[in-house]
Amino acid sequence: DVKVTQSSRYLVKRTGEKVFLECVQDMDHENMFWYRQDPGLGLRLIYFSYDVKMKEKGDIPEGYSVSREKKERFSLILESASTNQTSMYLCASTLTGQVSPTDTQYFGPGTRLTVL
Amino acid sequence: GESVGLHLPTLSVQEGDNSIINCAYSNSASDYFIWYKQESGKGPQFIIDIRSNMDKRQGQRVTVLLNKTVKHLSLQIAATQPGDSAVYFCAESYGGATNKLIFGTGTLLAVQP
Repeated sequence: DVKVTQSSRYLVKRTGEKVFLECVQDMDHENMFWYRQDPGLGLRLIYFSYDVKMKEKGDIPEGYSVSREKKERFSLILESASTNQTSMYLCASTLTGQVSPTDTQYFGPGTRLTVL
Repeated sequence: GESVGLHLPTLSVQEGDNSIINCAYSNSASDYFIWYKQESGKGPQFIIDIRSNMDKRQGQRVTVLLNKTVKHLSLQIAATQPGDSAVYFCAESYGGATNKLIFGTGTLLAVQP
C-alpha cells in the first residue's frame, strides 16, 4: 500500500515564525502536491512537483514555498507564518500527473497548523 | 451571524439505510469525476470515479451517477454502516491533469446505529 506520511499531526506556531511541513511517500511517485483545506472551501492546491527539484505554483502559492531535494520528500515552507495560514495542510502523491482509475491520488493524514 | 458556508451540509441516516450524497460541479467541460471519503483525522481516500462518457458506475456498495445536463453528481451508498461515517466530497477534472482537479466542499454523513 502507498503510504504518505506527514511529519506532524498538530502544530502551533507564532506569527512571523518560519514553519516547515514535511511529507514523505514510499511508492516512488513522481508527483507530489500540497493542499490546504479550510471549512466551507474545497481543497486548494498550493504547490506541486512533478520531479526532483521541480516545482510549480498551484492556485494559492502566496506566502508559501516548497522544496523537493529527494524524490520521496516534499516540504512546504511558510517563510513568515501569519494567522490566515491557520489551516489543515494535506500532502498527496501520484505516480503520473494524470488522473485515471489506475493512478489515484494518495493523501497523507494532514497537519493541522494553528498560527497564533 | 454565522456564515452558512462554514458549516458542512450533513446527511444523517440510520444504519442499514441507503445514502445519497449530492454534488454540483462547475465546469460543463469536465470529463472526469472522483468521489473521496475523509474520515475524522485522516486524509481523503479515493472511493470511485466516473468518466463523462458514462452516466453510472458501480463499485462495492457504492454507485456514482452523473447527470451532465444539470452538472450533477451523486454518490449512493447501499446498506450504510457506521464505518461509512465521514465527509464525502467530489472532484472534477478537465483535461486529465491531477493539478487541475477542482474539489467540492463536502457533505458530512452521520450514520446512526
